[in-house]
Amino acid sequence: ETGVTQSPTHLIKTRGQQVTLRCSSQSGHNTVSWYQQALGQGPQFIFQYYREEENGRGNFPPRFSGLQFPNYSSELNVNALELDDSALYLCATKLVRDTGELFFGEGSRLTVL
Amino acid sequence: DAKTTQPPSMDCAEGRAANLPCNHSTISGNEYVYWYRQIHSQGPQYIIHGLKNNETNEMASLIITEDRKSSTLILPHATLRDTAVYYCIVRVAGIQGAQKLVFGQGTRLTINP
Repeated sequence: ETGVTQSPTHLIKTRGQQVTLRCSSQSGHNTVSWYQQALGQGPQFIFQYYREEENGRGNFPPRFSGLQFPNYSSELNVNALELDDSALYLCATKLVRDTGELFFGEGSRLTVL
Repeated sequence: DAKTTQPPSMDCAEGRAANLPCNHSTISGNEYVYWYRQIHSQGPQYIIHGLKNNETNEMASLIITEDRKSSTLILPHATLRDTAVYYCIVRVAGIQGAQKLVFGQGTRLTINP
């Protein structure tokens, strides 16, 4: 148990649609990051949020956006879905006191048809 | 790109020690070595991390060479539940909000009965 919960666990969308994925964590987890993991690959960093602001981004286009809320929850939004967006999306959080450990959720598996 | 190199796969007999190597020849002085593992269809799980001294916790031991260009993760008594993909990652720790992990392909460890 990492204390990080993601929803939904699975979902199917069609090309061109928009999707919102959610992540919640326990108090004391002040930063959140999102990763995309295609089948057979390692997770790829999308972006991270600290104090409700984006403060780091990987090589992903602007149609990938996010929000972090004061209650330690977060959202990942993807607009204009493409077939290649099919992947497992992982949320990871870090404690205020940096122990070096990231706590990952179980992920949301998105399929784009 | 990942700054680490790992063998794509390894096998180990149940009950024996599993030794997973990792090369990180370009590691910087302020970068830590982290190990995570990912059991099929789950989020990555933190195992251990270290800077230059050997580290041990309830899950594993981490041996870092004196020049810090390589390391070995040791699972002392492997069980079937240790079958997973193991990722070796280098990361600068302690920077406020910094959560970017650069995952490579990892090592797929199979524990055989």
